[in-house]
Amino acid sequence: EAGVVQSPRYKIIEKKQPVAFWCNPISGHNTLYWYRQNLGQGPELLIRYENEEAVDDSQLPKDRFSAERLKGVDSTLKIQPAELGDSAVYLCASSLASADTQYFGPGTRLTVL
Amino acid sequence: DAKTTQPPSMDCAEGRAANLPCNHSTISGNEYVYWYRQIHSQGPQYIIHGLKNNETNEMASLIITEDRKSSTLILPHATLRDTAVYYCIVRTQGAQKLVFGQGTRLTINP
Repeated sequence: EAGVVQSPRYKIIEKKQPVAFWCNPISGHNTLYWYRQNLGQGPELLIRYENEEAVDDSQLPKDRFSAERLKGVDSTLKIQPAELGDSAVYLCASSLASADTQYFGPGTRLTVL
Repeated sequence: DAKTTQPPSMDCAEGRAANLPCNHSTISGNEYVYWYRQIHSQGPQYIIHGLKNNETNEMASLIITEDRKSSTLILPHATLRDTAVYYCIVRTQGAQKLVFGQGTRLTINP
């Protein structure tokens, strides 16, 4: 069974530029999560989707971050414009349902210069 | 969700059992103990979880004390590939998110 797929794996941009990350969850998983992991810290939840609905986006900085999961399968997380402090690893995870075990993708390492 | 306390780092010799402790003294009756690990430059990997009984799978064993205030993750025969940060997470049944702490950085030495 294929795991959670994320792309790109690495991204380097200059501040004020836009950037987007893509995630394809495990087939059949209805719940999708985006986490951010700062250097030396554990991951922190940004947003959770149940199918195509964002049901918890309380930790998403909405002035510059946006996310979508249009058909309830893959998802895109966007930052516009990026700031230096956005440098981090952005992780996508999925689970069958919200209370089930979460499985993570490899992450996208973003460096903002 | 209850707070967990883990040692920041541990070392273990290759081939020996690695025992990673976790303290969760404020855990409540409907909270599960989850363990994930994160190998360098990879996403967190699910290892095991349990409620009150000891659990074992192909990766590890989870021993939960009778009062549920602490637990130990056991890797029975550690290899170099087990070097990673190990996170112990207490999660309320039905909770929708994982709250990660600092974890334990386990180094397996040849």
